[in-house]
Amino acid sequence: DAKTTQPPSMDCAEGRAANLPCNHSTISGNEYVYWYRQIHSQGPQYIIHGLKNNETNEMASLIITEDRKSSTLILPHATLRDTAVYYCIVRVVGEYGNKLVFGAGTILRVKS
Amino acid sequence: GAVVSQHPSWVICKSGTSVKIECRSLDFQATTMFWYRQFPKQSLMLMATSNEGSKATYEQGVEKDKFLINHASLTLSTLTVTSAHPEDSSFYICSGEQTYEQYFGPGTRLTVT
Repeated sequence: DAKTTQPPSMDCAEGRAANLPCNHSTISGNEYVYWYRQIHSQGPQYIIHGLKNNETNEMASLIITEDRKSSTLILPHATLRDTAVYYCIVRVVGEYGNKLVFGAGTILRVKS
Repeated sequence: GAVVSQHPSWVICKSGTSVKIECRSLDFQATTMFWYRQFPKQSLMLMATSNEGSKATYEQGVEKDKFLINHASLTLSTLTVTSAHPEDSSFYICSGEQTYEQYFGPGTRLTVT
């Protein structure tokens, strides 16, 4: 089972920041938070990941609360091409690899 | 970023036949590859973890005799759906792991008639 909960859908105006929340209250101390997105009928695309500190890259910023029980993905200037399903995932370290257990995700609709 | 390809991108087969899907890491070596399945309007479901040179580890409820996985090299893993039935129609996606990040292929749409 996924260890994260996300709102099923969100709307965002083009050019504005999109803030996507995620709850992961049962996360363990050594488990990372990953964000991927999936545009219709394509494979998921890696966005960003973090452990404790806030992270930023060319695509997005990741804000993780101090207690690590929740996080927010920020797309600073959303465009129509950012319309996708966004998955917040807690990476589970397994014996045979690092498993990503996908939840239902958030459908982000960017509107002009 | 690292690139993963899948072949074919889509396939239609008749019920009872077998279908092989290839997953290749093009610019990196993937010791571990993963296979997922996605039904319409649903999330990705992990089917199995594939480690180069060893047997795949299947998730609970996934029939290993039906979904044969071979990971013979660091850049190639294959998934064979044996004796396919219409309920196996789905979007199959693979990923390769490099330094704790998974890079996904574009997916293969399987339709069993």
